[in-house]
Amino acid sequence: GAVVSQHPSWVICKSGTSVKIECRSLDFQATTMFWYRQFPKQSLMLMATSNEGSKATYEQGVEKDKFLINHASLTLSTLTVTSAHPEDSSFYICSAVYTRTGQYEQYFGPGTRLTVT
Amino acid sequence: GENVEQHPSTLSVQEGDSAVIKCTYSDSASNYFPWYKQELGKRPQLIIDIRSNVGEKKDQRIAVTLNKTAKHFSLHITETQPEDSAVYFCAAAPYTGGFKTIFGAGTRLFVKA
Repeated sequence: GAVVSQHPSWVICKSGTSVKIECRSLDFQATTMFWYRQFPKQSLMLMATSNEGSKATYEQGVEKDKFLINHASLTLSTLTVTSAHPEDSSFYICSAVYTRTGQYEQYFGPGTRLTVT
Repeated sequence: GENVEQHPSTLSVQEGDSAVIKCTYSDSASNYFPWYKQELGKRPQLIIDIRSNVGEKKDQRIAVTLNKTAKHFSLHITETQPEDSAVYFCAAAPYTGGFKTIFGAGTRLFVKA
């Protein structure tokens, strides 16, 4: 089946620094990827839609200058948390849309746990 | 935009009993309704999905029903087992190239042996 990877799986950074998270579709091309954020014991909150070759579309309330998204190729999207603060600590999960003959399926990455100290 | 509500937030059942989780959605453009199971610290795993041209779908012990008129859909797990214990999320999305999926708040299912 389709596989989506994320790197790193966990990261600890100091307040004020930036962190880049990669999301890769390993065995398929994904024109669309999504970035979600999940706080402990809460649901997945959609942050933005990442489209290959164009600017990301951010959900209401998500700061685009703080969460930079780049979808440079059909297999890679990156999320950069800039000037991270402790409140940015969360579980970040990406997903990629797999398309085949009119069918669409969404596959999730394993997630990245970010801790900002 | 789409809003998905899910109930109950917590559900505890005895092994062998059935579990039912209910969701409602707001956007009539949504026509794809997946259900995910998430274990602690892991990614959501798709367990079953239903599209708007179908009213019911079953896969072994898991079934999903959809009432598009009322904008309701439900997950039914029969003969529950301890390994079914997890958090379950319903979701809704337009079945198009955009495919933006909005999740419900989740239901924490406990199956007691």
